[in-house]
Amino acid sequence: SQQGEEDPQALSIQEGENATMNCSYKTSINNLQWYRQNSGRGLVHLILIRSNEREKHSGRLRVTLDTSKKSSSLLITASRAADTASYFCATDAREAGGADGLTFGKGTHLIIQP
Amino acid sequence: DSGVTQTPKHLITATGQRVTLRCSPRSGDLSVYWYQQSLDQGLQFLIQYYNGEERAKGNILERFSAQQFPDLHSELNLSSLELGDSALYFCASSVALRVSGNTIYFGEGSWLTVV
Repeated sequence: SQQGEEDPQALSIQEGENATMNCSYKTSINNLQWYRQNSGRGLVHLILIRSNEREKHSGRLRVTLDTSKKSSSLLITASRAADTASYFCATDAREAGGADGLTFGKGTHLIIQP
Repeated sequence: DSGVTQTPKHLITATGQRVTLRCSPRSGDLSVYWYQQSLDQGLQFLIQYYNGEERAKGNILERFSAQQFPDLHSELNLSSLELGDSALYFCASSVALRVSGNTIYFGEGSWLTVV
C-alpha cells in the first residue's frame, strides 16, 4: 500500500507562477524525499528532509515537513516549462529502520503552460 | 544520467513467458533495489539486495525472483507472465544498506508489455 499520498493529483499553472504540492503519510518516518519523473523516464532525486527538520531549500525548491500532521509540501517557485513532470514524495518507515526501501506516493502531475 | 543502466529498455512478450531484466548499479554502489511502476498501483518496492545478499522484500510476487551477482549487477526474473505484469520496472542503487538519509539513484527503466 502507498505510504505517501500526494495532493493534488494533477496541477496546471502558467509559467512563472509558483507550484505547491502536498504529501501526507501514515506512519512515523526517518526522512522524507521528493523525486521528479519526466514522462516515461527514471526518477530523479530532488531533496531530502530529515524528520527533525521543518524546512529545507534547494534552488527554486522549498520543502516543509510537519511531523505532527504527517505531511510535507514541495514548493517550486518561478516555474518553467521544463518543470513539467510528475513529482513524488517518498518515505522510509521509522519502524523498518530504513531497510525496506522507499515507499512512494502516487505523485502529482505538474504541467507548466508556456 | 544517473549512472544506473538497465536493459532492455522495451520488451513485448506473451502471457506465460519468462523474461529477465538486467541492471548495472552506479560504480561503487552496493545496494540494488527493484521497483515496479504501473498506472493502477503506482511505484511499488519489490526487493533490495546489498552486496550480493537479499536484504528487504516488498510486494514481490512469488513468480518473480531476483539476484545480485559478485560484480554487483542484478537481474530480475519474471515468470509465468500475466497481462497485469505489464509495467515499467525500475532498478535503483545506493551506496549504503539503508535508505534512511541516503539518496537512491534510478535507472531509466525497462518497459514490459505482456500481450
